[in-house]
Amino acid sequence: NAGVTQTPKFRVLKTGQSMTLLCAQDMNHEYMYWYRQDPGMGLRLIHYSVGEGTTAKGEVPDGYNVSRLKKQNFLLGLESAAPSQTSVYFCASSYGGGTAQETQYFGPGTRLLVL
Amino acid sequence: GQNIDQPTEMTATEGAIVQINCTYQTSGFNGLFWYQQHAGEAPTFLSYNVLDGLEEKGRFSSFLSRSKGYSYLLLKELQMKDSASYLCATEGMNRDDKIIFGKGTRLHILP
Repeated sequence: NAGVTQTPKFRVLKTGQSMTLLCAQDMNHEYMYWYRQDPGMGLRLIHYSVGEGTTAKGEVPDGYNVSRLKKQNFLLGLESAAPSQTSVYFCASSYGGGTAQETQYFGPGTRLLVL
Repeated sequence: GQNIDQPTEMTATEGAIVQINCTYQTSGFNGLFWYQQHAGEAPTFLSYNVLDGLEEKGRFSSFLSRSKGYSYLLLKELQMKDSASYLCATEGMNRDDKIIFGKGTRLHILP
């Protein structure tokens, strides 16, 4: 099993450009998450999904959109990149069985630099 | 809402013991996670506490006091590879409650 994978691993964008980050998991998990991690800020939740076809806003959703068309994939889109979106983006997934201990399994991260 | 506090940085010596504290204020608390994150890598699961008390797992142990809103991660026989950030995270009671992460404690191990 590959676990959680993310593409690309690194990207440089100019202000105003758009891009999509792809997250894929092969663990048949229901729940998927997108976080950003900045120095001194910890992990902050952008959007999450509790199942195929569903999405919900997290703590810092502005400037991002997501889609969960297939259970195994969770896409994060930046329509018009801004320098403030320079960050490391982590995708995670969890079982989502409705009980406690939703242990999250993280992808390796995508490092995004917006100039 | 949920608020989590943990020290920003700590330093310890190889072979020693270190305790990383985490306090939280939350509505609808269910359980608490500890994750380890090496520099430039993804967080990985260490432990989960839902009941009061100490859970031991090899060199790492995690403690929870629900009434005090307090947890700690205890690392024994420190090794250089334990140099990492340690993230405390709380879990809500409802199915759709998100896990909230603290800002993490960066642990430096000195030889």
